[in-house]
Amino acid sequence: EVQLVQSGAEVKKPGESLKISCKGSGYTFSSHWIGWVRQMPGKGLEWMGIIFPGDSETKYSPSFQGQVTISADRSSSYLQWRSLTASDTAIYYCARVSPVMVMQFDYWGQGTLVTVSS
Amino acid sequence: HSALTQPASVSGSPGQSITISCTGTSSDVGGYNYVAWYQQHPGKAPKLMIYDVSNRPSGVSGRFSGSKSGNTASLTISGLQAEDEADYYCSSYTSSSTVVFGGGTKLTVL
Repeated sequence: EVQLVQSGAEVKKPGESLKISCKGSGYTFSSHWIGWVRQMPGKGLEWMGIIFPGDSETKYSPSFQGQVTISADRSSSYLQWRSLTASDTAIYYCARVSPVMVMQFDYWGQGTLVTVSS
Repeated sequence: HSALTQPASVSGSPGQSITISCTGTSSDVGGYNYVAWYQQHPGKAPKLMIYDVSNRPSGVSGRFSGSKSGNTASLTISGLQAEDEADYYCSSYTSSSTVVFGGGTKLTVL
């Protein structure tokens, strides 16, 4: 069974750094693109970017390029901030890009709530 | 690419059919048959309901169907049930090799 399990909720202060994770199981993690999606409080889904764990090829949405860093190793993907702001408060989902669909997510993690507040 | 345009809300009674539209441009919805629809219940992660415009993943009810005409994709839910009440998001592949989501539609089952 394909599963994506994300790290737990975080509470941070503005200016702090953060790295959250998404661990895949039940399939060959390195062979499938993984994406990250932001959902701000009460708002819709926003596509942040994707990474191919096998070679770490990455593609970012222009809206998030330079604001976050997406990385991966053999079994997990990571989303990282160098300096958080209050506007980074959101739920962040990781999701697997289906191997038989183009840029469409077939499995999702449970989400990680990031709260940035002074 | 700007967010795809969806109605903020739709509603219907049990047993009825509803359609949610998703309007983009020739650089996204109109240019590719890579439109997906996701269902999201409150406090839950999104779930894929339709892929490649009109295909249903295994396990998704046949009451859900998708279509596309020009720059507008549509999700139709027939035989509405209480459990269908949720937020629905469309997404499309774009000419920039990225993905754009719609703003989301809240479906209320009356």
